[in-house]
Amino acid sequence: AQSVTQLDSQVPVFEEAPVELRCNYSSSVSVYLFWYVQYPNQGLQLLLKYLSGSTLVKGINGFEAEFNKSQTSFHLRKPSVHISDTAEYFCAVSPWGYQKVTFGTGTKLQVIP
Amino acid sequence: KAGVTQTPRYLIKTRGQQVTLSCSPISGHRSVSWYQQTPGQGLQFLFEYFSETQRNKGNFPGRFSGRQFSNSRSEMNVSTLELGDSALYLCASSLDGATNTGELFFGEGSRLTVL
Repeated sequence: AQSVTQLDSQVPVFEEAPVELRCNYSSSVSVYLFWYVQYPNQGLQLLLKYLSGSTLVKGINGFEAEFNKSQTSFHLRKPSVHISDTAEYFCAVSPWGYQKVTFGTGTKLQVIP
Repeated sequence: KAGVTQTPRYLIKTRGQQVTLSCSPISGHRSVSWYQQTPGQGLQFLFEYFSETQRNKGNFPGRFSGRQFSNSRSEMNVSTLELGDSALYLCASSLDGATNTGELFFGEGSRLTVL
């Protein structure tokens, strides 16, 4: 079985400051890793994904994430946030070859003007 | 290419009633998953359908059921509604097959309020 832990339920950050949203996972098999974003009253939208290869993954809206296998982490970063980045962010894992996605509990990013 | 479409977007029901929610996946996607999202519990997996068969199931009571049609469209039904069923119900489709990566494409959700 897989599990995903997002330690921070809320992260306030000033506009134009950098941000890191943390995600740790556990799994007995190899997994694909994802970050999704949810804006108010909308569904989830894929930000980025790690399937294989380079451990630094770039996504939409200037976000990037780094896969660290030894620490089983997949932290999301952005060097300079904008008001429009205010949303809830979900980390997710999916085991190879198996259609079952496990989500973390989400981190609400609040960008302060 | 049209995205995942969920209907209705908003609905209000009273306790004891039943509700049916509909989801049309992206064309060519054969897997449809349903999630319940609430402020306290986050995203909880309900079930997943592939080729009209329920392939995975979450830990929800039997009042929650679903089905998938031959065109991959899916419906979920909740009977004997309880106040705690108030939530955003999200449908997600994916391209299942040899290249499956687990990536999900979500609809905007159906917000159910039970009074």
